[in-house]
Amino acid sequence: GQNIDQPTEMTATEGAIVQINCTYQTSGFNGLFWYQQHAGEAPTFLSYNVLDGLEEKGRFSSFLSRSKGYSYLLLKELQMKDSASYLCAALDSNYQLIWGAGTKLIIKP
Amino acid sequence: DTAVSQTPKYLVTQMGNDKSIKCEQNLGHDTMYWYKQDSKKFLKIMFSYNNKELIINETVPNRFSPKSPDKAHLNLHINSLELGDSAVYFCASSQGTGTGANVLTFGAGSRLTVL
Repeated sequence: GQNIDQPTEMTATEGAIVQINCTYQTSGFNGLFWYQQHAGEAPTFLSYNVLDGLEEKGRFSSFLSRSKGYSYLLLKELQMKDSASYLCAALDSNYQLIWGAGTKLIIKP
Repeated sequence: DTAVSQTPKYLVTQMGNDKSIKCEQNLGHDTMYWYKQDSKKFLKIMFSYNNKELIINETVPNRFSPKSPDKAHLNLHINSLELGDSAVYFCASSQGTGTGANVLTFGAGSRLTVL
């Protein structure tokens, strides 16, 4: 079956760095996506990786290892507004997104 | 504002009723989606329309029927509502094909509560 695993919840301190891991098992693979979802709001697109390596976008970076079925989202210089759920989703061979349940990130002052 | 807008934002209704959720996007995207997010926060795709043609119909009950009058609108009609239908329903849109077509823009969500 197809499966996405990510931690349920993480806590970090304002100004620090946090890494949210995601492992995936899908039938075929065409990319790994990260979305941010604030409580009670819509998911918003953050980044996607197709090839191995690190993609940097300001304070956020996403890494992919296709051979390991692994990705992480790295958030630097954490701000209180980064408190949200971070959804990992893998694109399977049919170009359908398979979603994880999200990691709730709590930022403390 | 360019966006995906869906109405209503909240919907409380009794079991057995029929209800509709409307969605419109003014982004010029050619594909629209309906997703269901349950209490465990999993997002599950229900339907996808590309230029008014249904291209995904996941195993949802046939009580759910999508209607797309044009490529900017995708409405969701639900017949004979059941308790298990309580969830947040998100409309989304995207453009293009391949991997990049999964950069989705979501609406704000419609929280459906069935009593």
